[in-house]
Amino acid sequence: EAGVVQSPRYKIIEKKQPVAFWCNPISGHNTLYWYRQNLGQGPELLIRYENEEAVDDSQLPKDRFSAERLKGVDSTLKIQPAELGDSAVYLCASSSGDSSTEAFFGQGTRLTVV
Amino acid sequence: GENVEQHPSTLSVQEGDSAVIKCTYSDSASNYFPWYKQELGKGPQLIIDIRSNVGEKKDQRIAVTLNKTAKHFSLHITETQPEDSAVYFCAARTSGTYKYIFGTGTRLKVLA
Repeated sequence: EAGVVQSPRYKIIEKKQPVAFWCNPISGHNTLYWYRQNLGQGPELLIRYENEEAVDDSQLPKDRFSAERLKGVDSTLKIQPAELGDSAVYLCASSSGDSSTEAFFGQGTRLTVV
Repeated sequence: GENVEQHPSTLSVQEGDSAVIKCTYSDSASNYFPWYKQELGKGPQLIIDIRSNVGEKKDQRIAVTLNKTAKHFSLHITETQPEDSAVYFCAARTSGTYKYIFGTGTRLKVLA
């Protein structure tokens, strides 16, 4: 069974440009997370979905970040416009939503804003 | 707000020695504590976890202990090997929310 798939793996953009990341969670997983991981830090939650509903987006900088999970499966995270401080690894994770299971992470997208 | 503190930030051990990483959480409603291993260029991978109704769990060379009263939990790796070298993250999940709070990570280096 495939794990959490993210693309692209790497992205380099100039500041003020838009960028989008894509995530395909593990089949059947209702809960999807987007995390940002700065260099040398632990992942920090940006947004959490239960099916297609964003149930926790309190840490998402809504002036420039947006996310969607239209059919409750794949998800995209967008930044527009990007700033230098947005350089980080963006991780997607999914879980079945059952309290007995763990979250599985994708390999992440490393974003560099120049 | 919720917080997880992790120590040490870096740890070097000789091959065959043990390594211990400690975490402290602030939210008393946390009830699930996973440990993740992250290798360079990869996403975090779960290596062991413990739930609040258990005090200790072991899986071969890896063990985790939980002290709910003190809000401490620790990762123990015995007979370390060079392939154990990675960054390790602890996390705490609050009951009913599926929200994970991560520690800041420990870079473990096992010296051959």
